[in-house]
Amino acid sequence: NAGVTQTPKFQVLKTGQSMTLQCAQDMNHEYMSWYRQDPGMGLRLIHYSVGAGITDQGEVPNGYNVSRSTTEDFPLRLLSAAPSQTSVYFCASSYLGLAASYNEQFFGPGTRLTVL
Amino acid sequence: GIQVEQSPPDLILQEGANSTLRCNFSDSVNNLQWFHQNPWGQLINLFYIPSGTKQNGRLSATTVATERYSLLYISSSQTTDSGVYFCAVRSNFGNEKLTFGTGTRLTIIP
Repeated sequence: NAGVTQTPKFQVLKTGQSMTLQCAQDMNHEYMSWYRQDPGMGLRLIHYSVGAGITDQGEVPNGYNVSRSTTEDFPLRLLSAAPSQTSVYFCASSYLGLAASYNEQFFGPGTRLTVL
Repeated sequence: GIQVEQSPPDLILQEGANSTLRCNFSDSVNNLQWFHQNPWGQLINLFYIPSGTKQNGRLSATTVATERYSLLYISSSQTTDSGVYFCAVRSNFGNEKLTFGTGTRLTIIP
């Protein structure tokens, strides 16, 4: 298993440009999510999905869109990049359900994004 | 929402020393994980421990869910243990999201 993969590893954008961060997992996990990590801070949830066709907002969703057309993929779109979106972005996945006996979340390697 | 506090924020130790990192949380949880973020930024899963005690080599963790805290023990520290240690929890009353603490930065000096 490759686990959770993310591309690209690094990206530099100019203000106003758009781009998509890719995330894929091969563990057949229902739950996928995107976090951002700013210097000296923990991770904050941007968007999440509990299955194909279902997405919802986390605590910092503004400026980002997501979609989930398959179980495996969960891309994050920046519509019009701003310097405040300079951050490291992590994708994560897990099995789903409060009743699940094992719903450990696994994280991808991250994408370091700089917006000039 | 649920609050997660980690202590101490920074810890500097000599190689070979032992350490205890603490995570307090404000509500009941059904998931608690410890992560190590290495100097390259990777998040490495250490423990999935919503309750009880687990050990993995020089590392062990204990979660006392009824008292809303978890402890991570590192024995015989090595320089490769350096990095930031995060505790993350999932509330019984929220969605699936993990809420992260702000971490403990551990520096091991040779």
